[in-house]
Amino acid sequence: DIQMTQSPSSLSASVGDRVTITCRASQGIRDDLGWYQQKAGKAPRRLIYGASSLQSGVPSRFSGSGYGTEFTLTISSLQPEDFATYYCLQHNTSPLTFGGGTKVEI
Amino acid sequence: EVQLVESGGGLVQPGGSLTLSCVASGFTFSRYWMHWVRQAPGKGLVWVSHINGDGYNTNYADSVKGRFSISRDNAKNTLYLQLNSLRAEDTAVYYCSRDLIHWGQGTLVTVSS
Repeated sequence: DIQMTQSPSSLSASVGDRVTITCRASQGIRDDLGWYQQKAGKAPRRLIYGASSLQSGVPSRFSGSGYGTEFTLTISSLQPEDFATYYCLQHNTSPLTFGGGTKVEI
Repeated sequence: EVQLVESGGGLVQPGGSLTLSCVASGFTFSRYWMHWVRQAPGKGLVWVSHINGDGYNTNYADSVKGRFSISRDNAKNTLYLQLNSLRAEDTAVYYCSRDLIHWGQGTLVTVSS
């Protein structure tokens, strides 16, 4: 199975900060990676697909990059509504696997 | 509008069984892969299983393989997850998802004596 190692597990940042979250895959997954945001008590919301494509309706302050084994989610200017937990998900190979999550505290 | 509504969760004893359902609307159900994802209380997301549009291609997480079974009834626009030999560690909110883009609200399964 492909393991997704996500870091950091939590971070504290201020409004306006640039935030970067990283996922590392245990083997190459091309760009078969998505990033998700989840707020407490809610279903996940996909932000990024194909490692770097912005999901329709998602603010442009969110961006993704990477290919193969190293991937990054960047929030260019953190907003109060971005308080949430973020997950990466690889869908290159079954079983699909999520990263462990990054809790972003404002 | 895509809508996914899960049901069937509840309290079950260890070793017991449960069937979850997810009724879909707002799209042509038979054309899409469907997924189950779960989240234990206070923990992260875990992908559980998926099934292709005609129901002949399925995959499972190692932790549920041989115990859970995914299926679908395209005539009823309904996705199912049969949970057998349940363990305490299966306690979670179970979400159904279309394409891992659209999600239901989740249904809670609690395994406890």
